[in-house]
Amino acid sequence: EAEVAQSPRYKITEKSQAVAFWCDPISGHATLYWYRQILGQGPELLVQFQDESVVDDSQLPKDRFSAERLKGVDSTLKIQPAELGDSAMYLCASSIPSGGYSYEQYFGPGTRLTVT
Amino acid sequence: AQSVTQPDIHITVSEGASLELRCNYSYGATPYLFWYVQSPGQGLQLLLKYFSGDTLVQGIKGFEAEFKRSQSSFNLRKPSVHWSDAAEYFCAAEGENDMRFGAGTRLTVKP
Repeated sequence: EAEVAQSPRYKITEKSQAVAFWCDPISGHATLYWYRQILGQGPELLVQFQDESVVDDSQLPKDRFSAERLKGVDSTLKIQPAELGDSAMYLCASSIPSGGYSYEQYFGPGTRLTVT
Repeated sequence: AQSVTQPDIHITVSEGASLELRCNYSYGATPYLFWYVQSPGQGLQLLLKYFSGDTLVQGIKGFEAEFKRSQSSFNLRKPSVHWSDAAEYFCAAEGENDMRFGAGTRLTVKP
């Protein structure tokens, strides 16, 4: 069964350092999502790609976060510099979109980030 | 503003007992509705979804949910809970290019 891959699974970094996460969506899924999930809360969308284009990055803290999906396949989310408040689970999801709806998003296992 | 509310932060049930997790949404039009489950340190797995039609939807692992338009609710149910159902459960709603999740309900199952 096809799955969304994410790496690393766990990352510990010191504040002010740079950190990057990678996501490989299910083959053929044009839409890719990055979510941040703070402990005890639901996922919040950071950025949504349709192929290589950004559809929504309104909740992405652009002063320190960046995301790219250069060839419309895999994607990288970067934080520079990391802050203590960035400690969270970063989830990637993908879907086959239709008319602005995902119908179903498939989630990867997530990257647990701890900033010290 | 569009939102999804899960009123119960934590629920404890005995193994074999029935379960109902509540979800309410606030959207301009009826959104697509989902329930996901998340085990500790893992991603989210889809349990079931509602787009239209029959308001009682069946999902995986013996779960079902009922859509009630008049109450803007989409409650998740299971007739008999198993110890392996202990996890975090998230309700989600999708409008056009807008997916929102509730804060989650943590389920503890007592032996």
